[in-house]
This record gives sequence, C-alpha cells and structure tokens, in this order.
Amino acid sequence: QKEVEQNSGPLSVPEGAIASLNCTYSDRGSQSFFWYRQYSGKSPELIMFIYSNGDKEDGRFTAQLNKASQYVSLLIRDSQPSDSATYLCAVTVTGGGNKLTFGTGTQLKVEL
Amino acid sequence: EPEVTQTPSHQVTQMGQEVILRCVPISNHLYFYWYRQILGQKVEFLVSFYNNEISEKSEIFDDQFSVERPDGSNFTLKIRSTKLEDSAMYFCLDRFLYGYTFGSGTRLTVV
Repeated sequence: QKEVEQNSGPLSVPEGAIASLNCTYSDRGSQSFFWYRQYSGKSPELIMFIYSNGDKEDGRFTAQLNKASQYVSLLIRDSQPSDSATYLCAVTVTGGGNKLTFGTGTQLKVEL
Repeated sequence: EPEVTQTPSHQVTQMGQEVILRCVPISNHLYFYWYRQILGQKVEFLVSFYNNEISEKSEIFDDQFSVERPDGSNFTLKIRSTKLEDSAMYFCLDRFLYGYTFGSGTRLTVV
C-alpha cells in the first residue's frame, strides 16, 4: 500500500509566524510532490510542486524535499488568516500512471 | 491558471438512480482523472483517462462506474445505480506540464 501521511492537525499559528507542514511517503519510487490548499467546501488549489531534493521557494511558500528521509514539507512565512485552510500533500509514483496519491491533509489555523 | 469546469455543482439523487457528472477540461490536454472526496476524508483516485481511453482504475471504480469523452471535449463520469456511500465531492483533474488542476467539483448527495 503506497501511503502518504500527514498530521491532521489542527495546527495553530499566530498571524505573522511561520507555519510548517509535514508529509511523509512510503514509496521510494515517488517522483513528484505537490502541495494543494483546500478551503472548506471548495476544490483544492495547487500551491507548489517539487521534484528535486532541496528547497524551492515561491513567494511566502517554501517546499522542502528530502528523498532519503522520504518527507516533503511546506513552510508558509508571514502566515495570514487567509492561509487558514487544509493543506494536502500529493505524490506521484513510478508505474503509478502518473496519478496523484493524497494524504489526509493538515488543517492550518492562523490566529489573529 | 485556466479553469476546469464541472457541472452540476451540486446534485441530489435518490438511491438507485443514475447520475452523470460532467467536466470540461482544458483543451488539447490528454490526461484526465476522476477523484472523489467523502466528507472529512482524503481525496481518492477513481480512474485515469489518457488519449480517450481508460489507463488505470482503482478498486472503487467498479462496474457501476463508467467514464467517457462523448464529444471530444466534455468528459463524463456516470454512476449507474447510486448508493448512499457514493455521496461525496467528485473532482476531475486535468494534468498539465507542471501539475494537476482540479475542476470546480460536483457535490453528489444520495438520499
């Protein structure tokens, strides 16, 4: 069973702080890694993707990938109340037909 | 990011009835997927569709499900005889060069 694991939360951070969201995956053949944001009742929106080990930055968001340890993380700097949502981690695997396998998501709450 | 439109946005149906969910993907793309999300649960893969053929399907995608691209543009998911446990959000996904775009979603409620 190819699993993607996330802490369901909620993760609470004060406004302006850094939020750190983590995701681990079981299949070493995983190739591509995606972070989506999902507001309640809405469809997920792509925030970032990462393929290579290391960090990738896009505005206030940084994705970090460590294939040796099989984890991927998302850092949100200067967190805003509008960042309050569920963050989904998704991976594609070799031989998986390029389908995405999702984690359960981490609920983030940014408090004033 | 271009939009992937799904219709209807919400459908209520009686158990045992057939439903057809529609997706209008981004034109000229070849890879499409259907996923569902039961309330409070993870997004689950149903089926992938490449070049107008099913390329992979999950255990969930049994004989009551079918997928078509009837007119070369719209993309449909049919559930022949709905069950209470089919109640969920259904999403089509459009794969593009740098990722996957979710459709707007259809909330299916089976009563």
